[in-house]
Amino acid sequence: AQKITQTQPGMFVQEKEAVTLDCTYDTSDPSYGLFWYKQPSSGEMIFLIYQGSYDQQNATEGRYSLNFQKARKSANLVISASQLGDSAMYFCAMREGRGNTDKLIFGTGTRLQVFP
Amino acid sequence: DAMVIQNPRYQVTQFGKPVTLSCSQTLNHNVMYWYQQKSSQAPKLLFHYYDKDFNNEADTPDNFQSRRPNTSFCFLDIRSPGLGDAAMYLCATSDLGGVGTEAFFGQGTRLTVV
Repeated sequence: AQKITQTQPGMFVQEKEAVTLDCTYDTSDPSYGLFWYKQPSSGEMIFLIYQGSYDQQNATEGRYSLNFQKARKSANLVISASQLGDSAMYFCAMREGRGNTDKLIFGTGTRLQVFP
Repeated sequence: DAMVIQNPRYQVTQFGKPVTLSCSQTLNHNVMYWYQQKSSQAPKLLFHYYDKDFNNEADTPDNFQSRRPNTSFCFLDIRSPGLGDAAMYLCATSDLGGVGTEAFFGQGTRLTVV
């Protein structure tokens, strides 16, 4: 069963507008972490933002914020004031487990294109 | 300064010829991951080391092996590469801080099989 689901293969947004990238997850573990990574065409994974399962407030990092709805098991990324340099693949990831079972798994990604 | 370094960035190998990809880290992290990422797909976890303990994913082919001689280095060995093994291979490291700990990625090695 898919643990991380990103239903938007591609998204378009105009420069300076806000965009929301969707992510839903599935876990029975009460303790987990949710991450968003950006992957430009060069290939490296760039960490953007983190949300812990016990965090009471939505995470924010500059122009990035996470709309965390625990009951719905969703962790959508909101990018405000989009820039041309935001064009990339965006991956939602979840870390769960402890010790040897601790691992980070990824969703299928959303390709974001920002146009002028 | 790069903290997770993968060498080489680009690797071309012949069908069936063993190839080794390397990953080194300066972060002294206990956990190291290897992911395979095919074009336009999600990174797929192949295996990871939790300190010295090796953890293989159930669906990782036997063709893929790994070695971790010390904390700083980790290797991915592909014993007999097939055309379907052409992909980007990503190495990542993480501390033992639990589910909230960020993973740091190298720049990846893009493997071509000819």
